[in-house]
Amino acid sequence: DAGVTQSPTHLIKTRGQHVTLRCSPISGHKSVSWYQQVLGQGPQFIFQYYEKEERGRGNFPDRFSARQFPNYSSELNVNALLLGDSALYLCASSLGTGASTDTQYFGPGTRLTVL
Amino acid sequence: EDQVTQSPEALRLQEGESSSLNCSYTVSGLRGLFWYRQDPGKGPEFLFTLYSAGEEKEKERLKATLTKKESFLHITAPKPEDSATYLCAVQRRGSTLGRLYFGRGTQLTVWP
Repeated sequence: DAGVTQSPTHLIKTRGQHVTLRCSPISGHKSVSWYQQVLGQGPQFIFQYYEKEERGRGNFPDRFSARQFPNYSSELNVNALLLGDSALYLCASSLGTGASTDTQYFGPGTRLTVL
Repeated sequence: EDQVTQSPEALRLQEGESSSLNCSYTVSGLRGLFWYRQDPGKGPEFLFTLYSAGEEKEKERLKATLTKKESFLHITAPKPEDSATYLCAVQRRGSTLGRLYFGRGTQLTVWP
């Protein structure tokens, strides 16, 4: 079975630009979460979506937005990029049932560099 | 405020030299504690989930344990391929479904 896939792998943008990152969850998983990981730190929660609805949002500015599509894939959008947005962006998928065994499985990430 | 603290930040072991990594947490109502392995530039790879104090889980040379305040990841007779960053994360009851709170990780290097 295919795991979580993300695209693109790497991306270089300049300050003020906009970026869209994409994620496809594991087949059968209905929940997608996005995390930002700055070098040397643990991942920080940005958003969670379940059945196309936002279920939670972390402490990130409104420049960050996301959505989930009927096929459960997801996009993360970041507007007006800042140098500090440079990071590894991780997508995680889970069944989304809320059961205690609802483990999140991560994709390979998208490395975003803002110049 | 929920916090996850991992120690040490970095650990260098000789091949075969067993050791433990620590993850201490303060969370209002633990739903689960997760261990992940992360190779440089890659996404975290799931290792274990622990739910209640006293629980233990094993996988090859790794063994994870949980108490009411901390978790340990024991590495027995490590090999160079065990070199990676090990991340600990907690899930809180009643919060956003599935949201994980991560520590900063322990960077493990095993040399031959």
